[in-house]
Amino acid sequence: QLQLQESGPGLVKASETLSLTCTVSGGSIMGTSQYWGWIRQPPGKALEWIGSIYYTGTTYYNPSRKSRVTVSVDTSRNHFSLKVNSVTAADTAIYYCAKYDFWSGYFGGFEYWGQGILVTVS
Amino acid sequence: QSVLTQPPSVSAAPGQKVTISCSGSTSNIGNDYVSWYQQFPGSAPKLVIYDNNKRPSGIPDRFSGSKSGTSATLGITGLQTGDEADYFCATWDNSLRGVVFGGGTKLTVL
Repeated sequence: QLQLQESGPGLVKASETLSLTCTVSGGSIMGTSQYWGWIRQPPGKALEWIGSIYYTGTTYYNPSRKSRVTVSVDTSRNHFSLKVNSVTAADTAIYYCAKYDFWSGYFGGFEYWGQGILVTVS
Repeated sequence: QSVLTQPPSVSAAPGQKVTISCSGSTSNIGNDYVSWYQQFPGSAPKLVIYDNNKRPSGIPDRFSGSKSGTSATLGITGLQTGDEADYFCATWDNSLRGVVFGGGTKLTVL
């Protein structure tokens, strides 16, 4: 059974960089057509996709966040990471990592999710 | 402001049926598969429908999905109090080159 686990600081100071890692267990991060994404959810609000990565390093970003976001992958450690620069209070949210398939060019849905980590920007 | 539009809330009595709509455009719903997620307070979202109308293992057949043009619908029959949750739709947007979510719908089972 595939499992994802977010890790990183729960408190970040304004103007600094938010850094999170998602460790994948129970399977390889190098699966064909498997993509790894970051989603966030401000308290009481909707889900927002931040960005995704394929094990080759190909990335996709939410255009509205692209200027401050970097997603990277480390296949040797079977994990992928998120960095958000110059954070403000508006970046306070629960951050989830999740996996989706992209078969034949079609989005297969986020099948596996991490439990989420609350990051507060002070 | 979410790219996909959902009603903020729906409600129905136990045992009844409810539908939740998700409206988009030709660059997203009209061009890709829709998935639906159930989220209880304090928990991560859970996939209940993928590829418009398929159920992952373990999801009861009370849950169904459909898509027509640029809109999708989640249906839940035989409502139970345990179905009370927030529900989100999602798909890929070819113009934005990324995943888009709906704003979420709070289901209340009266």
